[in-house]
Amino acid sequence: NAGVTQTPKFRILKIGQSMTLQCTQDMNHNYMYWYRQDPGMGLKLIYYSVGAGITDKGEVPNGYNVSRSTTEDFPLRLELAAPSQTSVYFCASSPSDRGYTFGSGTRLTVV
Amino acid sequence: QKEVEQNSGPLSVPEGAIASLNCTYSDRGSQSFFWYRQYSGKSPELIMFIYSNGDKEDGRFTAQLNKASQYVSLLIRDSQPSDSATYLCAVNMRDDKIIFGKGTRLHILP
Repeated sequence: NAGVTQTPKFRILKIGQSMTLQCTQDMNHNYMYWYRQDPGMGLKLIYYSVGAGITDKGEVPNGYNVSRSTTEDFPLRLELAAPSQTSVYFCASSPSDRGYTFGSGTRLTVV
Repeated sequence: QKEVEQNSGPLSVPEGAIASLNCTYSDRGSQSFFWYRQYSGKSPELIMFIYSNGDKEDGRFTAQLNKASQYVSLLIRDSQPSDSATYLCAVNMRDDKIIFGKGTRLHILP
């Protein structure tokens, strides 16, 4: 049972480049989330989804996009990367409001 | 602005003592409350959740919730060096968004 799988684990982007952070879960959870974590700043919600075909903005959605075409996958798209997007990105899933299972994270540096 | 507040610490506790971690939240309608543990460089791990006023115990961990005071706490009994980590309080707001506090760094002194 893999849980929540995130790829890649590390990435360096140049300013203005784009990339997609992949997130897949095999627990048949309806709820999926993307957070970013900056040092000393806790976790900030970027986007979330309560089911396939449904997405909604979190606290810090600017500069990001998501899609949820299947229950398993919830990719996060960064367009025109900026240094302010340097962070650790966590994907999480849950069956309801019973708490999350987190992926191992993606460390992104924009230079 | 819906908020979850925690003291950033570090909180230093002698091995074997009780560690007490506190959290306040702004949305009075919040229904679900969570404590996560995060080791340095790792992802958060759920250790406790609580929905009702009062105490909930699981092994060495006790979560306490007081909705009237908008306050949730985590007690760790018989603290061990392996408990040294950052503890994140998270609150499920009425709109289904879970908001995290910035976390409290706990350091257990051998």
